[in-house]
This record gives sequence, structure tokens and C-alpha cells, in this order.
Amino acid sequence: DAVLTQTPPTLSATIGQSVSISCRSSQSLLDGDGNTYLNWLLQRPGQSPQLLIYSVSNLESGVPHRFSGSGSETDFTLKISGVEAEDLGVYYCMQTTHAPLTFGAGTKLELK
Amino acid sequence: QVQLQQSGAELVKPGSSVKISCKASGYTFTSYDMHWIKQQPGNGLEWIGWIYPGNGNTKYNQKFNGKATLTADRSSSTAYMQLSSLTSEDSAVYFCARSWELDAWGQGASVTVSS
Repeated sequence: DAVLTQTPPTLSATIGQSVSISCRSSQSLLDGDGNTYLNWLLQRPGQSPQLLIYSVSNLESGVPHRFSGSGSETDFTLKISGVEAEDLGVYYCMQTTHAPLTFGAGTKLELK
Repeated sequence: QVQLQQSGAELVKPGSSVKISCKASGYTFTSYDMHWIKQQPGNGLEWIGWIYPGNGNTKYNQKFNGKATLTADRSSSTAYMQLSSLTSEDSAVYFCARSWELDAWGQGASVTVSS
């Protein structure tokens, strides 16, 4: 299985601060079709997860542009440019290049 | 808009089975995979498997082979997951989610296994 390692496990930020979350895969997530299937999800407290970014850097419809994704092969980053209160929760990376689909352990974003 | 409405919380006895539903609306049910994900309290997310309602094809995480059975009813646009031989390790919240991007999620169904 492709193991996804997220760092840091917890992130404390002030409103307006820019933060980054890292996701490293034990295998390259570059698929044979040329695409890289690495997504980012946010789970707010008491809610279901929601898709933020798909295929490394594509913003899901309705997601604010302060969220951005980058990376390739095994190293990926989610950046929030100017944290807002509604961004608090747990962020997960997930991959669908390799079966089974796997998730990172999550990064909890909290207010400093 | 796309909505996935899951069935309610279940309290079940060890050794029994439970069937959770996920009713889809706002899109063509038979055109998208439906995935199922497990989340234990305080833990992360674990993929169980998917079903393609268009033809009933399924694929499971090997860990859940024999534990979970996925089905879909095209007439009611509803996906189902049955969990069998339940133990305390199966106590969790179970989500359905649409497509390989997991671009829409149900609200989750809590299953508690207790005697």
C-alpha cells in the first residue's frame, strides 16, 4: 500500500498567517496515464470531510483561492495563504493512483 | 446540488450484521463510483471499497474482504454497505463518498457494536 506521511501532525496559526502542510508518499503517485492522483481534504469539527484540491493542484469548485497545492511524484504540499477561522480542522491528503486508496494520518490546524 | 443522505445511527450486538444506506440525489447515480470510508473515534480515514452502480462492479480493500459487502439499487439511487460478524473493532462512523475524487460526502452513519 502507498503510505502517506503528513507533517506536521498539528499546526498552530494566527488568523491571516500563511501555513503549509507536507504529504510524502512511500511510492511515486505518478500514474501510467501521466496524471498524479493526490487530493487534499478538510474535515471541520463535527463535519464530514470535504474535497479541497484534486490531482495535486486543481481547486475544487467553491473552494477559496487562498488554498493551493503543489508537488510531484512523492512530495506534495498544501498551502493556505492567510488562514481564516473557517479553515480550522483536520487536513488529510489521499491518493488514488495505487489500490487501495489511502489517506495520510491528518494535520490538525488550530488557532494559536 | 449533489447530496448523499445516509441512514441513522445503529447500536448492534457483537456477531450480528448491519446494513447502512446512502441515498444519492442531484446527479446521475449510475455514472459515478460510490466509495465507502471508515473513521474510528479520534482516528483517521480508512478506505473500504467502491461500487459502480452502472454495472454493479465492486472492488474492496483486502482488509475488508469478507467484512463489507457493497450493493446498489439503481431504482432508488441508493448504495448500501453491509457489515457482517461485527466486533468492537467495527464501531466507527462510516461515510459514503462519490467518485474517485471523493467530491461529495454523506453525513456519516455511526455504528456502535456493544452487548
